[in-house]
Amino acid sequence: DIVMTQSPDSLAVSLGERATINCKSSQTVLHSSNNKNYLGWYQQKLGQPPKLLISWASTRESGVPDRFSGSGSGTDFTLTISSLQAEDVAVYYCQQYYRTPRSFGQGTKVEIK
Amino acid sequence: EVQLLESGGGLVQPGGSLRLSCAASGFTFSSYTMSWVRQAPGKGLEWVSAVTGRGDTTYYADSVEGRFSISRDNSKNTLHLQMNSLRAEDTAVYYCARGDDYNDLRPFDYWGQGTLLTVSS
Repeated sequence: DIVMTQSPDSLAVSLGERATINCKSSQTVLHSSNNKNYLGWYQQKLGQPPKLLISWASTRESGVPDRFSGSGSGTDFTLTISSLQAEDVAVYYCQQYYRTPRSFGQGTKVEIK
Repeated sequence: EVQLLESGGGLVQPGGSLRLSCAASGFTFSSYTMSWVRQAPGKGLEWVSAVTGRGDTTYYADSVEGRFSISRDNSKNTLHLQMNSLRAEDTAVYYCARGDDYNDLRPFDYWGQGTLLTVSS
């Protein structure tokens, strides 16, 4: 099974500042035949279901603000919020969809400093 | 508009059974693998089970293998999760989520609002 590990577990960032979340997979999620990384990022606000923000490691879903960006390949990935807004307070999860079981990271809680 | 609506949660005693359902609308249900994902109180997300579009292949997390059974009725656009031999550690909000299509593996792009299962005496 692929184990997903996020860091840090939580972070507090000032409004307008950058937030960076890392995600590491125990095995590659890069498919060599199509050069796609099967890695997604989700945002979960309190009391709500998760929302898909980014797929294929770096493709923003429709309607997701461009302050959210994803990068990385293979086993190491990053979600960056370039200028933190109050509405970005949430828990963020990475997930690999390359292999079953479809595993999630443990989550990173983002708060306002 | 894609919608997923779970139902069937509630309070069950340890060792008991319950069946969750998820009504889907707004997309061609039979074209997608559907999953159940759960979240224990204050904890992270745990994938539980999946069933392919035709319903011919199922997958389970080790934690529920042999106790839970996933199924779907494509004529009614409905997904089910039959849960037996329930344990306290199964207490969670259960979400249904849309996944892979016939073209490629995909992340969970749509989620329901979830239904709460509490296993307690």
